[in-house]
Amino acid sequence: SQTIHQWPATLVQPVGSPLSLECTVEGTSNPNLYWYRQAAGRGLQLLFYSVGIGQISSEVPQNLSASRPQDWQFILSSKKLLLSDSGFYLCAWSGRDRVVQPQHFGDGTRLSIL
Amino acid sequence: DAKTTQPPSMDCAEGRAANLPCNHSTISGNEYVYWYRQIHSQGPQYIIHGLKNNETNEMASLIITEDRKSSTLILPHATLRDTAVYYCIVRVADNFNKFYFGSGTKLNVKP
Repeated sequence: SQTIHQWPATLVQPVGSPLSLECTVEGTSNPNLYWYRQAAGRGLQLLFYSVGIGQISSEVPQNLSASRPQDWQFILSSKKLLLSDSGFYLCAWSGRDRVVQPQHFGDGTRLSIL
Repeated sequence: DAKTTQPPSMDCAEGRAANLPCNHSTISGNEYVYWYRQIHSQGPQYIIHGLKNNETNEMASLIITEDRKSSTLILPHATLRDTAVYYCIVRVADNFNKFYFGSGTKLNVKP
């Protein structure tokens, strides 16, 4: 069966520090991968998606970047965090064997910027 | 861009059916309706999806109106563990499979 892992579960970082959040998927090959951010009390905002290694599309202009160095690995990064980067970050994957596919989410990383 | 409208909150008595409405009046012929739920501080959980026929699985039933402009998610016997935010999403079936979440409906199941 397929599994998705995100870490860390919680993170507290000072303003101006770098960030690296990692997401890995097991049990499937060539998945679509997604990064979302959720502000407190709000819905999910799609940040990035990837349809393959090295292929990243950004949905909104922001202080963050994403990379996909391996088929099963999706990384969210920042060189200098801003207070507005606080939130709940979620990674998701979907298969590509059928066009109609649900997305499956990880447990998320709660990021607090001080 | 969310293309759906949902009530911000609903209450339901434990053991009763919970009927969660969603309006998607601008839905296109090739767009599917998906439902997810998010229990506090967890990732969203997929529930069900459909195109135009009613669908049922072990979690819920999805009723889509004939004109496809609205749908209802039915939890037949709500439990306290069903308390969550429920999201209705419409999306085109393509290889990018992007989802745009709205604000959802907070379902409060009460004893």
